[in-house]
Amino acid sequence: DAGVTQSPTHLIKTRGQHVTLRCSPISGHKSVSWYQQVLGQGPQFIFQYYEKEERGRGNFPDRFSARQFPNYSSELNVNALLLGDSALYLCASSLGQGINQPQHFGDGTRLSIL
Amino acid sequence: GENVEQHPSTLSVQEGDSAVIKCTYSDSASNYFPWYKQELGKRPQLIIDIRSNVGEKKDQRIAVTLNKTAKHFSLHITETQPEDSAVYFCAASIRTGANNLFFGTGTRLTVIP
Repeated sequence: DAGVTQSPTHLIKTRGQHVTLRCSPISGHKSVSWYQQVLGQGPQFIFQYYEKEERGRGNFPDRFSARQFPNYSSELNVNALLLGDSALYLCASSLGQGINQPQHFGDGTRLSIL
Repeated sequence: GENVEQHPSTLSVQEGDSAVIKCTYSDSASNYFPWYKQELGKRPQLIIDIRSNVGEKKDQRIAVTLNKTAKHFSLHITETQPEDSAVYFCAASIRTGANNLFFGTGTRLTVIP
């Protein structure tokens, strides 16, 4: 079975631009979460979506937005990019949204802002 | 919000020795504690998890212990092998409708052959 897949793997943008990152969950998983991992730190929670609805949001500005599609794939959008947005963006999927559902991560999208 | 602290930040052990990584959490409502292993340039991989109604869980050479009273949990790796070298992250989750994970800052484990 395919794991969580993310695209693109790498992306280079300049300040002020916007970016869209994509994630396909493990087949059968209905919940998708997004995390930002800055070099040398642990992942930080951005969003969780379950059944196409936002179920949780971390401490990130409104420049960050996301959505989940009927096939449970998800997009993360970031507007007005800043240098500090450079990071590895990880997507994780789980069967549901409860704590009994372990989260499995994709390989991430490495975003570099110039 | 939840705050997870992790120690040590780096750990070097000889092959065959044991390694212990410790984490503390701040919110007594946290009730799920996974551990992830992240090799350089790769995804975080879930290696073991424990829930608050369990004090200890073991899977081959890996074990996790949880002390709810003290609000700390630990990862134990026995008979370490060079392929155990990676960054290990602990995390905690509060079930409040979203199962977002709060991660520690990571421990870089190096197993010396």
